[in-house]
Amino acid sequence: GAVVSQHPSRVICKSGTSVKIECRSLDFQATTMFWYRQFPKKSLMLMATSNEGSKATYEQGVEKDKFLINHASLTLSTLTVTSAHPEDSSFYICSAPGTSGIRSYNEQFFGPGTRLTVL
Amino acid sequence: GESVGLHLPTLSVQEGDNSIINCAYSNSASDYFIWYKQESGKGPQFIIDIRSNMDKRQGQRVTVLLNKTVKHLSLQIAATQPGDSAVYFCAENNGDYKLSFGAGTTVTVRA
Repeated sequence: GAVVSQHPSRVICKSGTSVKIECRSLDFQATTMFWYRQFPKKSLMLMATSNEGSKATYEQGVEKDKFLINHASLTLSTLTVTSAHPEDSSFYICSAPGTSGIRSYNEQFFGPGTRLTVL
Repeated sequence: GESVGLHLPTLSVQEGDNSIINCAYSNSASDYFIWYKQESGKGPQFIIDIRSNMDKRQGQRVTVLLNKTVKHLSLQIAATQPGDSAVYFCAENNGDYKLSFGAGTTVTVRA
């Protein structure tokens, strides 16, 4: 149990287009999800907190108009990179807190990530 | 004074030897710490966690040590195997599920 999926796993797009990345909790509900960004050989940087039924909260320095987040249901959050440019190329990872029944304290489940390449 | 393990971005270890990965965290108010393993092109995978009211916790082949005095965390892997090759991140949690990740250490296991 407690699996998080992402779709697509890899996407290549032209500069100026928008790209939508989906994050789903497959067997549990998540009122909160998190989006991270990771550059090659770097650590994960928290971008925003996705809240079901309300606006996302963004970390300092993250453009909310650039990275649109929609948490439409208890199992789905989407991240849309608008008017993508080469500098937006990165590995985007989502996570959701849940419980596996083994560990129950602030356990986070991570998706497999989405590799975005903007040409 | 007390020595603090140095964080190294890379670690090369002989198969069968023990590995020690170090991490310094920043927030003295953090109450929960986690070690993650990340393989190339994948999301982070939970290894072991520890709460701030503990200083040591053991799992299968792994041990996490927490030194709150110097804000230092370490992960020890016993009898390192080729499948342990990955990037290892420590993360701290401030109680609201938001994680702050460390810089990461790339572990390479030599056969």
